[in-house]
Amino acid sequence: DAKTTQPNSMESNEEEPVHLPCNHSTISGTDYIHWYRQLPSQGPEYVIHGLTSNVNNRMASLAIAEDRKSSTLILHRATLRDAAVYYCILRDAMNRDDKIIFGKGTRLHILP
Amino acid sequence: DSGVTQTPKHLITATGQRVTLRCSPRSGDLSVYWYQQSLDQGLQFLIHYYNGEERAKGNILERFSAQQFPDLHSELNLSSLELGDSALYFCASSVELVGGSGELFFGEGSRLTVL
Repeated sequence: DAKTTQPNSMESNEEEPVHLPCNHSTISGTDYIHWYRQLPSQGPEYVIHGLTSNVNNRMASLAIAEDRKSSTLILHRATLRDAAVYYCILRDAMNRDDKIIFGKGTRLHILP
Repeated sequence: DSGVTQTPKHLITATGQRVTLRCSPRSGDLSVYWYQQSLDQGLQFLIHYYNGEERAKGNILERFSAQQFPDLHSELNLSSLELGDSALYFCASSVELVGGSGELFFGEGSRLTVL
């Protein structure tokens, strides 16, 4: 079972910021928070990951709550190409039997 | 291009038949993961191999089996196919065994249709 909880779907307007939430209340100290997205008719692709501190890369930013029980993926300026299913997953750095469980993710709709 | 190659891209077969899906991981990646994605469903973890050894199993049916060969490519075998096995099957690879900060690279998937 997925160890994360995400809203089923969200909508945002084009060129506006998008905040995608993820709850992971049972996160352990060695769990990394990863985000992937799946564009229509494609395989998932990596977006960003973090452990404790906020992270930025060319695709997005990841804001991690101080207690690490939740995180938010931030797309600073959504485009139509960002319409996808976004998955938040946990990966344990100490787990040698890594199942990498994905939930159903959040389907992001971008309105032109 | 993720560097992960899956074949065939599309496959149509009949109930009761057996098929083999193939995955070539990125060069140097030792871990291979298989996922099933049915219509409008999330990614269901099937199985994980590392350097030829099975490391973790998910909700993989007994009719399904997989292996990873010495050249690190992997095959997922599906037998006694049922209509409900129709799905996208994804393979992903990564360089490391343990979780943590490693990135997964997914192939484009094999779409299986069982008639």
